[in-house]
Amino acid sequence: DAKTTQPPSMDCAEGRAANLPCNHSTISGNEYVYWYRQIHSQGPQYIIHGLKNNETNEMASLIITEDRKSSTLILPHATLRDTAVYYCILMNYGGSQGNLIFGKGTKLSVKP
Amino acid sequence: DTGVSQNPRHKITKRGQNVTFRCDPISEHNRLYWYRQTLGQGPEFLTYFQNEAQLEKSRLLSDRFSAERPKGSFSTLEIQRTEQGDSAMYLCASSPGTGVYGYTFGSGTRLTVV
Repeated sequence: DAKTTQPPSMDCAEGRAANLPCNHSTISGNEYVYWYRQIHSQGPQYIIHGLKNNETNEMASLIITEDRKSSTLILPHATLRDTAVYYCILMNYGGSQGNLIFGKGTKLSVKP
Repeated sequence: DTGVSQNPRHKITKRGQNVTFRCDPISEHNRLYWYRQTLGQGPEFLTYFQNEAQLEKSRLLSDRFSAERPKGSFSTLEIQRTEQGDSAMYLCASSPGTGVYGYTFGSGTRLTVV
């Protein structure tokens, strides 16, 4: 089962920042927080990941709380093309494990 | 490299028939994963390979399902005696074998069993 909790849906105005929350209160010390998104009829797309520090790349920023029990994905200037389902996933790279466990994600609707 | 390629994109089959899907991962990626996604749900893990070795299988992978990755390159997923409940999107992903990386997913094969 997924170890993360996300709101089922959110709306955002085009051009504004989209802030997508994720709760992961049972995260363990060696688990990373990953974010993917899935645009309709396409495969999931990797966005960003982090362990405990905040991270930024060309797509988004990831803010992880100091206790690591929650995180926020920030799309700084949302466009209509950012409308998608966003998944927050915990991933442990120890040993031979490596599969992602997806929950239901947050359906983000960016509106003009 | 054009990413992860999956074929066919769509497959319609009659119940009871066998189907096979193919996945070509990014060439330098050692790990390859299969997922299944039904409408309104997130993708569910089926199995993964490290090179040619199948390292993990989900309990979702019944004995009608078999996956192979000969020579550690492309992979095939076969479903025997298909059932209507097998209708889903079948997704393939790949990643480098070591380190902390995101997965690269293909566009999937949509299977419809009629």
